[in-house]
Amino acid sequence: DAGVTQSPTHLIKTRGQQVTLRCSPKSGHDTVSWYQQALGQGPQFIFQYYEEEERQRGNFPDRFSGHQFPNYSSELNVNALLLGDSALYLCASSFGSGRGYQPQHFGDGTRLSIL
Amino acid sequence: GQQVMQIPQYQHVQEGEDFTTYCNSSTTLSNIQWYKQRPGGHPVFLIQLVKSGEVKKQKRLTFQFGEAKKNSSLHITATQTTDVGTYFCAAEAAGNKLTFGGGTRVLVKP
Repeated sequence: DAGVTQSPTHLIKTRGQQVTLRCSPKSGHDTVSWYQQALGQGPQFIFQYYEEEERQRGNFPDRFSGHQFPNYSSELNVNALLLGDSALYLCASSFGSGRGYQPQHFGDGTRLSIL
Repeated sequence: GQQVMQIPQYQHVQEGEDFTTYCNSSTTLSNIQWYKQRPGGHPVFLIQLVKSGEVKKQKRLTFQFGEAKKNSSLHITATQTTDVGTYFCAAEAAGNKLTFGGGTRVLVKP
């Protein structure tokens, strides 16, 4: 039973560039959430996707956007990268967005470094 | 907006001793979850608490949800080196996003 998989594992970009991160949820899960985790901090909620729609959004600028596909996989896109976007980006999947926040199953994350 | 505070930020504990970490919210919660993140790893779900005053146990870990549903605690007895990591609480208030606390980093002295 495959867990949550994320790609790539590491990525180095320069300021102003754009990046796309990918996530496949755990088998049987239909909801995908994205988090940003800076070094030494707790995960910060970016947004959640359910039924291919953004259901909730955290306090992140419009430079952060996403998408969910019919097979429940998801992408996180970040435009006009800033140095402060350097972080671990975590994808988490769960089942049933309409019933409050169910336990989140996290992937290993993508470590994004901005030079 | 909703704020979730965890104390202490760091916990140095002797192997075999007990300790407690606390999670406090500025708003009444619909549920609270606890996660453990090992160094270099990702958060792993431990438990979810929903009811006022609820207490749940997992082996040496005891989780409690406050009567007012604004705070929670995690108590670990007879700490082992395998308990090393950062423990996060994640709180959901009705209609709000899941908000993680800053975590308690646990170091165990053998």
